[in-house]
Amino acid sequence: RKEVEQDPGPFNVPEGATVAFNCTYSNSASQSFFWYRQDCRKEPKLLMSVYSSGNEDGRFTAQLNRASQYISLLIRDSKLSDSATYLCVVNRGDNDMRFGAGTRLTVKP
Amino acid sequence: DTGVSQNPRHKITKRGQNVTFRCDPISEHNRLYWYRQTLGQGPEFLTYFQNEAQLEKSRLLSDRFSAERPKGSFSTLEIQRTEQGDSAMYLCASSLVGKGQYFGPGTRLTVT
Repeated sequence: RKEVEQDPGPFNVPEGATVAFNCTYSNSASQSFFWYRQDCRKEPKLLMSVYSSGNEDGRFTAQLNRASQYISLLIRDSKLSDSATYLCVVNRGDNDMRFGAGTRLTVKP
Repeated sequence: DTGVSQNPRHKITKRGQNVTFRCDPISEHNRLYWYRQTLGQGPEFLTYFQNEAQLEKSRLLSDRFSAERPKGSFSTLEIQRTEQGDSAMYLCASSLVGKGQYFGPGTRLTVT
């Protein structure tokens, strides 16, 4: 079993839809969590950190459930420009990051 | 541009040759990481430095791989006697301790 597992996707949604990505992690000692976005043939870019209290950045909401070892990312009112692969990232401690394989999202007009 | 830079962006080499990649991190970042990414997978951790000290190496990093960060600024990743299985995108990232990592554009290696 991989340490960080994500919905494989792909997710194909129309513009304006709400889409949710799930991620689970196996190392209960993991300390911090992030979502990254990666466009085709580009480097990953930090989208947002994930806090236990949940956090929101515009149309994006991230949630963490430490008891269930589960992380989610919700995108509201999706735009064509949201099309990308979304990577769930877990910091096991001391910036030892483990990446999920990513979930691919395509937003269609 | 004050982001992470990597050179070269693309490298094609023949099996058995040695290659070296360079990464220049964001200047105030003391942590520097190397990852490898293949198609359809997330980045896989290879090694990281805090300042000039190499603190961890993945089991993925065979004896043919070596990384240095001699002055705590830029880093190099060398692969000796390349194999076709080494073909991948090699990503460098930098960060401050406890903060998110910022990636460079990567070096795409093709071993023929």
